[in-house]
Amino acid sequence: DIQMTQSPSTLSASVGDRVTITCRASQSISRWLAWYQQKPGKAPKLLISEASTLENGVPSRFGGSGSGTEFTLTISSLQPDDFATYYCQQYDSYWYSFGQGTKLEIK
Amino acid sequence: EVQLLESGGGLVKPGGSLRLSCAASGFKFFSFGMSWVRQAPGKGLEWVSSIHDSGNSRYYADSVKGRFTISRDNSKNTLFLLMNSLRDDDTAVYFCVSHGAAEGYFDYWGQGALVTVSS
Repeated sequence: DIQMTQSPSTLSASVGDRVTITCRASQSISRWLAWYQQKPGKAPKLLISEASTLENGVPSRFGGSGSGTEFTLTISSLQPDDFATYYCQQYDSYWYSFGQGTKLEIK
Repeated sequence: EVQLLESGGGLVKPGGSLRLSCAASGFKFFSFGMSWVRQAPGKGLEWVSSIHDSGNSRYYADSVKGRFTISRDNSKNTLFLLMNSLRDDDTAVYFCVSHGAAEGYFDYWGQGALVTVSS
């Protein structure tokens, strides 16, 4: 099975900051990686697929990059609505797997 | 508008069974793979099981293999998860999710159904 590891687990930042979350796969997954945002009590929301393809309606301050085993999610200028938990997910294998999550907190 | 509406959650004793249903609307259900993803209280997301659009191929996480069965009825646009031999650590919110563009990412999510396993 493919293991996904995110870092950091928690990130404290301020409105306007640029932040980066990293996701590493235990083996190459090409670009078969998605990113999700989840707010308390809500279902996750798909932000990015295929490592860097922004979903319709997702603000352009969100960006994804990477391939193989290392990927990043970058938010260029944090907005109040962005404080949430973020998950990566690999879909290279039918046995899908998520990272453990990164909680983005207000500093 | 795509809608996924789960039902069937509740309180069950360890060793018991429960069947979740997910009614889908707003898209061609028969053309897309579907999955169940769960989230234990205060924890992260865990993929549970997937089924191809035709229902011919099914996949399970090791944690549920042999106990859970995923199925679908394309004539009724409904996804199911039959859960047997439930354990305390199966307690979670179970989300029904659709696969984006026949890929393995999850583009639409239901609101979730809470399953509590407790004596």
